[in-house]
Amino acid sequence: NAGVTQTPKFRILKIGQSMTLQCAQDMNHNYMYWYRQDPGMGLKLIYYSVGAGITDKGEVPNGYNVSRSTTEDFPLRLELAAPSQTSVYFCASSYRDFNYEQYFGPGTRLTVT
Amino acid sequence: DQQVKQNSPSLSVQEGRISILNCDYTNSMFDYFLWYKKYPAEGPTFLISISSIKDKNEDGRFTVFLNKSAKHLSLHIVPSQPGDSAVYFCAARGFGNEKLTFGTGTRLTIIP
Repeated sequence: NAGVTQTPKFRILKIGQSMTLQCAQDMNHNYMYWYRQDPGMGLKLIYYSVGAGITDKGEVPNGYNVSRSTTEDFPLRLELAAPSQTSVYFCASSYRDFNYEQYFGPGTRLTVT
Repeated sequence: DQQVKQNSPSLSVQEGRISILNCDYTNSMFDYFLWYKKYPAEGPTFLISISSIKDKNEDGRFTVFLNKSAKHLSLHIVPSQPGDSAVYFCAARGFGNEKLTFGTGTRLTIIP
């Protein structure tokens, strides 16, 4: 049982490039989330999903896209990377909305230069 | 507008003493509160939670207190151990809402 896994761990992008951050969970959780954490700040919700085929915007969705074709995977797509997207990205999952505990992956550190 | 505030960016405590981490919130619709602990280069891990129908929840060395009238919660760690050195995030959610609102975190350092 690996929990929540994220790849890559680190990535450097040039301005305007695109990439996909991968997230997978093996706990059969319905809910999945993407957060970003900027230095000295709390986690901000980017997008979330309540099940396969269903996604919704969080607090800071601009510049990102997501899809949820399976229960296990929830990739985050960055199009036209900008320096403001330099951050640490965390994926998380939870069993249901009444199970308040979210399980986090180890994070992806992204630098856009 | 920061709805969940952790006004102390850092805290140092001697090993064996009590660590008290504080969190304030402004949204009266929040009904469930959580504390997460984060080590460097790792994701946050759940520590303890409390529902708004309670004013205290205890789990081993960790106790969370909730003062609804003051919109304030605190995490007590007794006794503090070196492995408790980490960043602690307070988080809150509203009734029927799966989204969490996080505070900015407090870096706790336990001094041996």
